[in-house]
Amino acid sequence: QAVVTQEPSLTVSPGGTVTLTCGSSTGAVTSGLWPYWFQQRPGQAPRTLLYDTSNKNSWTPARFSGSLLGGKAALTLSGAQPEDEADYYCLLTYSSGRVFGGGTKLTVL
Amino acid sequence: EVQLVESGGGLVQPGGSLRLSCAASGLSFSNHWMSWVRQAPGKGLEWVARIHGLGSAKYYVDSVKGRFTISRDNAKNSLYLQMDSLRVEDTAVYYCMTDYQGYWGQGALVTVSS
Repeated sequence: QAVVTQEPSLTVSPGGTVTLTCGSSTGAVTSGLWPYWFQQRPGQAPRTLLYDTSNKNSWTPARFSGSLLGGKAALTLSGAQPEDEADYYCLLTYSSGRVFGGGTKLTVL
Repeated sequence: EVQLVESGGGLVQPGGSLRLSCAASGLSFSNHWMSWVRQAPGKGLEWVARIHGLGSAKYYVDSVKGRFTISRDNAKNSLYLQMDSLRVEDTAVYYCMTDYQGYWGQGALVTVSS
């Protein structure tokens, strides 16, 4: 099965902007892999921030956005808040099933 | 409002079996693919299995093929995961998740230990 790669950790300053990426061992990530992005705070269940590359759920803060960038899926956080400190996971859908990335630990500092 | 509630978790010995259930409400259940996802203690998320809305297609991660079976009962708006030949490394919180906008349940803890 495919391997999905994410940055292990990133740091952003409060109010700053950061981009998390999600790559695939099979080649470029396209909309046809239906990228999802999830946020998980310690001790909590994951929650979906973005689905199908860039669609937001009703609870997704406006400061989060999704795109395809340089052959990868990307999650951009503009105007980071302390409560955004969490683990972030992407998910890609292949013909044989789905694969999560290893997650990015985002620190707001 | 979409709600997913898992049940059936618990402690089981290696080689044993367990059946997880996920009760769904607030969506047209039969119209949507559903997935099981797990998270071992201190580890990342792992997709486990996926099933078409009508149950006509099923997919599994390699590590559970032949041991786990995903199924659904659309009349009861319920999703299931039958887990056989359980191993210590199957210990995790198991979540059900809709493929529609990614709604999650609260999770069910499965502990495989002697």
